[in-house]
Amino acid sequence: DIQMTQSPSSLSASLGDRVTITCRASQDIGNYLTWFQQKPGKSPRRMIYGATNLEDGVPSRFSGSRSGSDYSLTISSLESEDVADYHCLQSIQYPLTFGSGTKLEIK
Amino acid sequence: EVQLVESGGGLVQPGRSLKLSCVASGFTFSNYGMNWIRQAPGKGLEWVAYISSGSSYIYYAETVKGRFTISRDNAKNTLYLQMTSLRSEDTALYYCARSLRRVEGLDYWGQGVMVTVSS
Repeated sequence: DIQMTQSPSSLSASLGDRVTITCRASQDIGNYLTWFQQKPGKSPRRMIYGATNLEDGVPSRFSGSRSGSDYSLTISSLESEDVADYHCLQSIQYPLTFGSGTKLEIK
Repeated sequence: EVQLVESGGGLVQPGRSLKLSCVASGFTFSNYGMNWIRQAPGKGLEWVAYISSGSSYIYYAETVKGRFTISRDNAKNTLYLQMTSLRSEDTALYYCARSLRRVEGLDYWGQGVMVTVSS
């Protein structure tokens, strides 16, 4: 199975900060990487797919990138509404595997 | 509007069975692969099972293989998860989610249904 190592597990940042969350894949997953945002009591919402493609309706301050086996979700300027858990998912092979999640809070 | 609505959850004793349903609307259900994903209280997401649009391909997580069965009825726009030999560690919020192309991951999720396994 492909392991997705997500870091950090929690993150506290100030409004306006640039925030980056990373997932490292244990095997080559190409661009088969999705980022989800999950607010308390809500279902996950797809934010980024294909590693770098922004979901329709997602603010442009969100972006996805890849460097080798490292995949990053970046928020260019943190806003209060971005407080949530963030999860990555690899979908190149079954079983699909998620990262362990990152809890993002405002400092 | 795409909608996925899960039902069938509840409190069940260890070793018993439960069947979840997910009714889809707002899209052509028969064109999409479907998945079940679960989230234990306070924990991360765990993929459970996948079924292709025509039911030709089915995959399971090792943690549920042999105990859970995913199926679908395209005429009823409904996805199912039959869960048997339930264990306390199966306690979770169960989501259904659709997928079209694997590179795009899971694009729409239901609101989830809670399954609690306890005596």
